[in-house]
Amino acid sequence: RKEVEQDPGPFNVPEGATVAFNCTYSNSASQSFFWYRQDCRKEPKLLMSVYSSGNEDGRFTAQLNRASQYISLLIRDSKLSDSATYLCVVNMNTGFQKLVFGTGTRLLVSP
Amino acid sequence: GAVVSQHPSRVICKSGTSVKIECRSLDFQATTMFWYRQFPKKSLMLMATSNEGSKATYEQGVEKDKFLINHASLTLSTLTVTSAHPEDSSFYICSAKISTGNTEAFFGQGTRLTVV
Repeated sequence: RKEVEQDPGPFNVPEGATVAFNCTYSNSASQSFFWYRQDCRKEPKLLMSVYSSGNEDGRFTAQLNRASQYISLLIRDSKLSDSATYLCVVNMNTGFQKLVFGTGTRLLVSP
Repeated sequence: GAVVSQHPSRVICKSGTSVKIECRSLDFQATTMFWYRQFPKKSLMLMATSNEGSKATYEQGVEKDKFLINHASLTLSTLTVTSAHPEDSSFYICSAKISTGNTEAFFGQGTRLTVV
C-alpha cells in the first residue's frame, strides 16, 4: 500500500461547482497533514494545513479523519483559477521528519 | 511565508558530468530539508531527507553515491547528481522546514535538469 494515496483525476467541473478530494495515508502515527497546490511546471505552494477539528479558509475546507486515516479538501464555488493539481502531504514524523506527497489530484474548472 | 531559493532553475549537462543544485532558506533556519524528483505528469517522489550536520536519509531505490546530499549549515543543502545520465533528466525540487514540529514545508522553485 502506498504511504499516501490520491485519485489522480482529472476532475472536470464547471465554474461554481463544489468539488471534493480525498487522500488516504498508511501510517497511523502521522502527525501533520497539508494540502498543497501545484500549477503546471511550478513548485508546490501551501494551500492549507489540516487540523484535527477541521478548518476552513474562504471557499476551501479541510477535514481530517484519523480513525479512517484520510483527509479531505472541499472547494466550493469553483473558479477557473482553481484549475491545478492538488497534492496531499503527510508528515510521517516517525522518529525523523518525512514529508510524503500523494500523486496529486488534477482539477480542471471550465467556463 | 518563508523563502526558499533553489539554484540553478535550469541546467543542461553532458552525460557523465556532475551537477550541483543548491537549496537555501533565506529568512529562516531549516533543520530539515527534503529533496524530491518529479517526472512529467507524475507526483513528487521523495529522494532523501537531509538534517543539518548529519547524513541524509535516502528513500529506498535512491542511490546515495549517485545523489550526494550535503546539509552543511542551517540555511544550505546541496544535491549533486554525479555521473549524470539522460535518465536522470527530471525536475528536482527542494523543500525546507522551519522546525521539527508539525509545520509546513516551503519549496524552492525547482531545477529542471536535462542530460544530453
